[in-house]
Order: sequence, then C-alpha cells, then structure tokens
Amino acid sequence: KAGVTQTPRYLIKTRGQQVTLSCSPISGHRSVSWYQQTPGQGLQFLFEYFSETQRNKGNFPGRFSGRQFSNSRSEMNVSTLELGDSALYLCASSSTFRIMNTEAFFGQGTRLTVV
Amino acid sequence: AQKITQTQPGMFVQEKEAVTLDCTYDTSDQSYGLFWYKQPSSGEMIFLIYQGSYDEQNATEGRYSLNFQKARKSANLVISASQLGDSAMYFCAMREAGEDYGGATNKLIFGTGTLLAVQP
Repeated sequence: KAGVTQTPRYLIKTRGQQVTLSCSPISGHRSVSWYQQTPGQGLQFLFEYFSETQRNKGNFPGRFSGRQFSNSRSEMNVSTLELGDSALYLCASSSTFRIMNTEAFFGQGTRLTVV
Repeated sequence: AQKITQTQPGMFVQEKEAVTLDCTYDTSDQSYGLFWYKQPSSGEMIFLIYQGSYDEQNATEGRYSLNFQKARKSANLVISASQLGDSAMYFCAMREAGEDYGGATNKLIFGTGTLLAVQP
C-alpha cells in the first residue's frame, strides 16, 4: 500500500510568486491535513479537508489556501510568497474524521525555499 | 488554549539504555488524545504511540511506552533498549474533541520536539 505522496519534494521560488503543493493521501483515506514546519515556529496546523470540504483552518493569512478533489488528493496554494514562507510543508492523511485515536500518516514533505 | 510543552531540546543516550522524553500538556477538555511522532532527517513524521485521556492503562508499542500521569498532565515517552536508528527528533502532540466545526477534528497540536542522539 503506497504511503502519502507529496510533490514536489523541493522547490525554490522568488518573493512575490505563488506556489502550489500537492498531496496524494493513502488509498481510501478521505481526510487530509496540512502543516507548516519552521525552525522558529515549529509545527503549525494549516488546514484540514474531509470529503472535499475544509473542516478546520489554522491561524494563517489568506495567502494560504487549499482544496481537496473528489479522489481525496489535496493541493495547497501560497500566493505572494514571502521569505518567511520558507518551510517544510507536511501533509497527513487519515482514514476517518472525528475519531480521537485516528492515526495521521505523514508524507515526506515539500521543502519550499523563498529567495 | 491547548498547549504541548517539551522542555528537553536535546538528549543523549547510550545504545541499549532506556531514555525518557518529557511531555506536558495543557487542556480544559476532558476528552483528548496524546500522540508521539518520530521525525528522522528525511522529514517524514512516523507515528509511535497513542494514549487516550480515558485509557486506564499506559500505552505500549514494542520498545515504546507512554508514562501517562493525567493529574500532572504529563505523557512522557519511554524508549527501552535504545538503538542507533532511534536518533531523530521526537514530537509530542495532542488532539482535542473541540466544539469548533461541529466536533472533533484530526488537527494535532505539536510540541517543539526533542532531538535524541543515540551513542554507540
């Protein structure tokens, strides 16, 4: 069974540009969450999707957006990139939603560098 | 507000010895779940162990066990018989059964992590 796949693995962008990151969850998983990891702020929740609907959103500016498709694949978009957006972006998939002990399976992340 | 605190930025342990990684949490909810994840240098977060707030026994998974002390709001991870491959960042995380968005979410709140180095 394939794990969570994130593409691309590495990305270098210039300030002001926009970027789209992709996440393919484990087959059969309908819940996808996104996290930003930086040395200064640690791991922070961005948003989560279940059945194509955004279910929860973290405290990030509107430049950060996402969506989920009918096949559960998810994309997140960051517009007008800033240097502070440089981070490891992690995607997690889960088989269910609203079950406390649901395990989150993470991808290897996309490392975004903004120059 | 929910919060996870990991006070050990780094830890050293000799191979084959046991090590305890500390985690304290703050929540006003009665129902919550606590998780430990391992993050090697490759970046992927690997699930290790889970403890529910209503679980009466401490969770164990192979060489991993969780020392859950509810009254003290602590959930320390114990790794027995450390191996060189255990060298990584370790994160404690919490999930609440919040009221926002209609109930529990899959959202995890993470601590700042502990970098564990296993020495031969």
